Amino acid sequence: DSGVTQTPKHLITATGQRVTLRCSPRSGDLSVYWYQQSLDQGLQFLIQYYNGEERAKGNILERFSAQQFPDLHSELNLSSLELGDSALYFCASSVVGGITDTQYFGPGTRLTVL
Amino acid sequence: ELKVEQNPLFLSMQEGKNYTIYCNYSTTSDRLYWYRQDPGKSLESLFVLLSNGAVKQEGRLMASLDTKARLSTLHITAAVHDLSATYFCAVADFGSNYKLTFGKGTLLTVNP
Repeated sequence: DSGVTQTPKHLITATGQRVTLRCSPRSGDLSVYWYQQSLDQGLQFLIQYYNGEERAKGNILERFSAQQFPDLHSELNLSSLELGDSALYFCASSVVGGITDTQYFGPGTRLTVL
Repeated sequence: ELKVEQNPLFLSMQEGKNYTIYCNYSTTSDRLYWYRQDPGKSLESLFVLLSNGAVKQEGRLMASLDTKARLSTLHITAAVHDLSATYFCAVADFGSNYKLTFGKGTLLTVNP
């Protein structure tokens, strides 16, 4: 158990809908990362937050957005969902978000878009 | 754009044998990470390599980094069934605020 929690574990929804994925980092970690894992694209970095501020952006679609709240939990919002958005979404956290940090991954949220 | 290539993508080995997984990347970086993923599970950090020539070992796994060759290796010694998993390397991209770019992963199956 990494100490990173994600909810929900599974999410099944329809195309065109909007969902919110939630992540709570390990106690004391200030940085949160979001990743998408799919068979087509592999593991892709989406976005990183540090202490409430966006720090780095990866291959995140415009239909997706994220934020990190004052209590350091983070939410990833996915809207206008398409079939191709079906994937495993991981959240990871690290102490300060530096390049020497180890990222600890949560169990993931499996999103299925029908 | 940083590209990370792992090979092989599939590796079936017998218990007791040695093998190496290779991770090549396309641009300058001296930050490389190895992760393990069990089926249906999350990623577990194995090694963080932070400089040229870095070598780290944990049990039957040893990772090394050659930044000049843009190559990292994950060496498996005397494989056991418990090592069966998918192994990913990831490289920090200096040009993109150190975001991680992952390889496609190597699915390792260790057979008795």
